[in-house]
Amino acid sequence: DTAVSQTPKYLVTQMGNDKSIKCEQNLGHDTMYWYKQDSKKFLKIMFSYNNKELIINETVPNRFSPKSPDKAHLNLHINSLELGDSAVYFCASSQFVTSLNYEQYFGPGTRLTVT
Amino acid sequence: AQSVTQLDSQVPVFEEAPVELRCNYSSSVSVYLFWYVQYPNQGLQLLLKYLSGSTLVKGINGFEAEFNKSQTSFHLRKPSVHISDTAEYFCAVSDHYGGSQGNLIFGKGTKLSVKP
Repeated sequence: DTAVSQTPKYLVTQMGNDKSIKCEQNLGHDTMYWYKQDSKKFLKIMFSYNNKELIINETVPNRFSPKSPDKAHLNLHINSLELGDSAVYFCASSQFVTSLNYEQYFGPGTRLTVT
Repeated sequence: AQSVTQLDSQVPVFEEAPVELRCNYSSSVSVYLFWYVQYPNQGLQLLLKYLSGSTLVKGINGFEAEFNKSQTSFHLRKPSVHISDTAEYFCAVSDHYGGSQGNLIFGKGTKLSVKP
């Protein structure tokens, strides 16, 4: 009964390809996030979705596009992959606004390697 | 703009010794503060959080942290560490307006290595 799951766990691909990473949460949360962790372990927010609306976009290249088919899923699509996209991508979820918890629950991560 | 500084990138300690991982933040508004732990090849797990109230916060695995508003610090401590505490530790801050949650800003992490 994994709370936040991501697929695939590992993704190796060539430059110029288009790929997707899937994320699902079964916590009933209304907000989901994507983070990028670089080779130096630095974590940076990329996107968040609340009730199917984008509420954060931290100057991420438009080759990256989040897609949320429903409240439990937030997939990350990446077009024209570049070497610099190699990183670990984490999905997270939380209950926004009405909750006093403010905790984000993280998935296990997807290690993307672009060759 | 908010920022988080973790003063030590690596902290080596011997088993059963006490440890303190330092975190300072800057923000122009009230904040929520968090410590997350990342074990090798795993996702992030919440250790503890400060939202309001008592400035001494107790978390899982025997960790605690103290919020110091005047020094804008939120240092993490454990009186006696175990080999299994070896991991990367991240301090994070989130601002809040009228009860809503802002962005989570992470520090660059501190690698805690516990030696036998």
